[in-house]
Amino acid sequence: GAGVSQSPRYKVAKRGQDVALRCDPISGHVSLFWYQQALGQGPEFLTYFQNEAQLDKSGLPSDRFFAERPEGSVSTLKIQRTQQEDSAVYLCASSLTAGMEKTQYFGPGTRLLVL
Amino acid sequence: AQTVTQSQPEMSVQEAETVTLSCTYDTSESDYYLFWYKQPPSRQMILVIRQEAYKQQNATENRFSVNFQKAAKSFSLKISDSQLGDAAMYFCAYRSAQTSGSRLTFGEGTQLTVNP
Repeated sequence: GAGVSQSPRYKVAKRGQDVALRCDPISGHVSLFWYQQALGQGPEFLTYFQNEAQLDKSGLPSDRFFAERPEGSVSTLKIQRTQQEDSAVYLCASSLTAGMEKTQYFGPGTRLLVL
Repeated sequence: AQTVTQSQPEMSVQEAETVTLSCTYDTSESDYYLFWYKQPPSRQMILVIRQEAYKQQNATENRFSVNFQKAAKSFSLKISDSQLGDAAMYFCAYRSAQTSGSRLTFGEGTQLTVNP
């Protein structure tokens, strides 16, 4: 089926605005991950869902970051009161099961620029 | 915590030649997975190759192969017969095998340029 999709692809926000980033995983994929990729860096883990359960949110940088996956498919990453340091590409990845050997497939990312 | 290091920020290769990208990692775990991902300018991260730590045989995918040295904690990627489409940022990544839903830990990346 189709790959992981993310929207919007680009987002410009004024400092202090709230933003919501959407991820549509591959159909049937149980596991969903969010990563943050600063310019010129490798992606860094933010949070992990298994179905609708958020099992690991240890990578979220502050309480302004919130993620949900209420029906175990689409996920939304919300950033409240955006700051300039939040400017980055936000990548979503999904994998078929929670099995440890399963490969993560990435979406194209959302590039967020906070002015 | 695991760390992944890519010591080559940039590499270049002539078309049709072979290039090797280096990666080292640090872990106290005995069972894990290692990956090479490719990220073209479009930013879609694409899996190139995967290696299970319990396997001694090096993984191969067409023109891509790895040299996995578990004792040295080294995981290099060899690209043979380089093509213009291989130009991209390459990331080495580690994933624990001890817990389900394990995150990927990435290196800093190596920007590969392929010269015609």
